[in-house]
Amino acid sequence: KAGVTQTPRYLIKTRGQQVTLSCSPISGHRSVSWYQQTPGQGLQFLFEYFSETQRNKGNFPGRFSGRQFSNSRSEMNVSTLELGDSALYLCASSMDMTGANVLTFGAGSRLTVL
Amino acid sequence: GENVEQHPSTLSVQEGDSAVIKCTYSDSASNYFPWYKQELGKRPQLIIDIRSNVGEKKDQRIAVTLNKTAKHFSLHITETQPEDSAVYFCAAPSYNNNDMRFGAGTRLTVKP
Repeated sequence: KAGVTQTPRYLIKTRGQQVTLSCSPISGHRSVSWYQQTPGQGLQFLFEYFSETQRNKGNFPGRFSGRQFSNSRSEMNVSTLELGDSALYLCASSMDMTGANVLTFGAGSRLTVL
Repeated sequence: GENVEQHPSTLSVQEGDSAVIKCTYSDSASNYFPWYKQELGKRPQLIIDIRSNVGEKKDQRIAVTLNKTAKHFSLHITETQPEDSAVYFCAAPSYNNNDMRFGAGTRLTVKP
């Protein structure tokens, strides 16, 4: 059974550019959550999608957006990149997020903004 | 939303000693509390979880205890080994159970 796949694994952008990250969940998993991980900041929740609907959003500016497709694959986009957006972006999938489901994480996309 | 606080932020123990990491949560309706381990350069992985209808769960050298009245839960690792060195995260469901919110993490170092 394939795990959670994130692409690209590494990318370098410059300030002002935009970036799109992709996440393919485990087959059968309908919920996808995105987290930003920076040193010393833990896992900051970005948003969660289920059946193509964003159900929750964390405290990030509107430059951070996402979507989910009918096959449960999800993308997140960051526009007008800032230096502080440099981080590891992790997605996690689960069967459903009704409060008691195990998250399986992807390996992450490491974004560097110069 | 759910607020999860985790302590300590760093913990150093000698091999063979025990380690305890504690988390508190704010939403009394929360009913599921997992712990994730993230080794250097790797993704977080679930190591143990507990649901609100039990007070303790053990799996070999690791255990989790839950105190619903005080709204805190703890990870206990006994007979620590160098391979236990990692960052550990606790989590709890958000107010509407649609996502998980994580503590800030504890960097555990086990010295041989």
